[in-house]
Amino acid sequence: EIVMTQSPATLSVSPGERATLSCRASQSVYNNLAWYQQKPGQAPRLLIYGASTRATGIPARFSGSGSGTDFTLTITSLRSEDFAVYYCQQYYNWLSLTFGGGTKVEIK
Amino acid sequence: QVQLQESGPGLVKPSQTLSLTCTVSGGSISSGSYYWSWIRQPAGKGLEWIGRIYSSENTNYNPSLKSRVTISVDTSKNQFSLKLISVTAADTAVYFCAREAVAGTVDYWGQGTLVTVSS
Repeated sequence: EIVMTQSPATLSVSPGERATLSCRASQSVYNNLAWYQQKPGQAPRLLIYGASTRATGIPARFSGSGSGTDFTLTITSLRSEDFAVYYCQQYYNWLSLTFGGGTKVEIK
Repeated sequence: QVQLQESGPGLVKPSQTLSLTCTVSGGSISSGSYYWSWIRQPAGKGLEWIGRIYSSENTNYNPSLKSRVTISVDTSKNQFSLKLISVTAADTAVYFCAREAVAGTVDYWGQGTLVTVSS
């Protein structure tokens, strides 16, 4: 099983500032990495796939980077609706998808 | 616009079988281009992929759950289903049905349904 580790667990950011979230895979997943946003009581929403490609309708302030084992999700100029939990997910091992433990982005 | 909706009992007794159905609207489940999955989330915790079905009969399961899980499809009703046997309190979670697009990215999700395992 490919283990996905996200850091930090909680990130306190002021509105308008930048948030940088990290995700590390226990082995290389190349660029087979997705990011999701989840708000309380809602299903996750796909933000990024292929490590850096924004999904349909996702604003440009969300960007993904990295390859291999280390990945970053950057949210520039945080808006109120961006405070949520973010998960990374690998699909290199397509037969067993795995998610990271999540990073909660909270208002500072 | 594809929509998915989970249905099934919200309470299951320990050692019994959890059964959920996902009804898909806005697209055909037998189109062949997508994969239909179940994912769960215990309260306050992260996401766990349970498994998927595709091409009407092919399935993949999370190795940690494989011995207890069956996913099936009813194309006539545009539905797919989850059965999890021998449940324990550890199986208490919100269960999501979802659509995987290209090889593992989940682009559509149901709203989720809470299943509690308790006597």
